Amino acid sequence: AQSVAQPEDQVNVAEGNPLTVKCTYSVSGNPYLFWYVQYPNRGLQFLLKYITGDNLVKGSYGFEAEFNKSQTSFHLKKPSALVSDSALYFCAVRDSTGGFKTIFGAGTRLFVKA
Amino acid sequence: GAGVSQTPSNKVTEKGKYVELRCDPISGHTALYWYRQSLGQGPEFLIYFQGTGAADDSGLPNDRFFAVRPEGSVSTLKIQRTERGDSAVYLCASSSGQGIYNEQFFGPGTRLTVL
Repeated sequence: AQSVAQPEDQVNVAEGNPLTVKCTYSVSGNPYLFWYVQYPNRGLQFLLKYITGDNLVKGSYGFEAEFNKSQTSFHLKKPSALVSDSALYFCAVRDSTGGFKTIFGAGTRLFVKA
Repeated sequence: GAGVSQTPSNKVTEKGKYVELRCDPISGHTALYWYRQSLGQGPEFLIYFQGTGAADDSGLPNDRFFAVRPEGSVSTLKIQRTERGDSAVYLCASSSGQGIYNEQFFGPGTRLTVL
């Protein structure tokens, strides 16, 4: 069965510093991995995805994520955090053998302090 | 263009009542998903439609939950004999194509409260 873990409920970082939001996954087949962000009073928005190919994927708003197959991780990163990045971030996975079911992590709240 | 819309935005009902939640996907998107999100949790998959058919309903918790998409566009999630544990935000998402690697576009959700 597929699963996703986001080990940190909250990440605090100072504006201008690099940020990392962690995600690990478990699937039977090949993973298709996604990051979504949820701003207050707004719907979930797609940030980036890994399907195949380069392990480092780039997405919206300067975010990137690195797929690590041996560690079954897909951590979200940004070189320089902005206060406006403060939001709730969700990692999600689909299993290539698991149909169209998407499993989301519990979310990590990112707080960027000015 | 317009995004995914959901109505109503809020629904309060009494235990045992029947409710319908509506989702209007992005025009032209053939794939449609329903999720349920409880406080402090990520979205929980309920059902996936490709066109008019439910291609994967493995996430529906029990037979009180049912969803339709008769014309391949608007979808309705139906909950019979509501229970207090059904209280949550119900999210709808749509995507183009039918590959499992396409990103989803989410609506704002319907907050369901069962008293």
